[in-house]
Amino acid sequence: GQQVMQIPQYQHVQEGEDFTTYCNSSTTLSNIQWYKQRPGGHPVFLIQLVKSGEVKKQKRLTFQFGEAKKNSSLHITATQTTDVGTYFCAGSGGYSTLTFGKGTMLLVSP
Amino acid sequence: AAGVIQSPRHLIKEKRETATLKCYPIPRHDTVYWYQQGPGQDPQFLISFYEKMQSDKGSIPDRFSAQQFSDYHSELNMSSLELGDSALYFCASSFLAGVPYEQYFGPGTRLTVT
Repeated sequence: GQQVMQIPQYQHVQEGEDFTTYCNSSTTLSNIQWYKQRPGGHPVFLIQLVKSGEVKKQKRLTFQFGEAKKNSSLHITATQTTDVGTYFCAGSGGYSTLTFGKGTMLLVSP
Repeated sequence: AAGVIQSPRHLIKEKRETATLKCYPIPRHDTVYWYQQGPGQDPQFLISFYEKMQSDKGSIPDRFSAQQFSDYHSELNMSSLELGDSALYFCASSFLAGVPYEQYFGPGTRLTVT
């Protein structure tokens, strides 16, 4: 079955430093979504990428979808303490069912 | 804006008991998903329903069953509970005709089996 790998598992940065999490799928994806889950909270949708090589930005967050549609990344510029949480990528090979990566837990120290 | 509602928020059961979790999707959403999330784990897809029909099945144990009713709310029924069933159970809903068809997660039901 489809597998989605995500690295790193955990990253601790100082406020103001950049952060990147990477996602790789064992199969070609039709789309990839990114979610953020705060401690004690539920996953919250951030963005969806569908096109090969697509790049989308949301303020300090930059999302990329690889040319082969098998990998993706999320980059946060100048992290803030509000960025704390676990970031999940979730891939879909078909219509709607998502396979989540293991997530990257981000800690930001002030 | 209306969000996904789940009840109860917390549930404590003993081994071999049964539990029923309820989910009320966002109005006009046509698809409901159930996920199980263990501590420090990613959400594991269990099952989904599109327009009240089961649309996809993931790693749902045979002891669990789910359905979606005419008013679009969904219930996850769990029988012969085991200690390993202790987890956070999320329901999510989406509107598949929309783009992107992101999933909106509810606050979750924390199930503890003792």
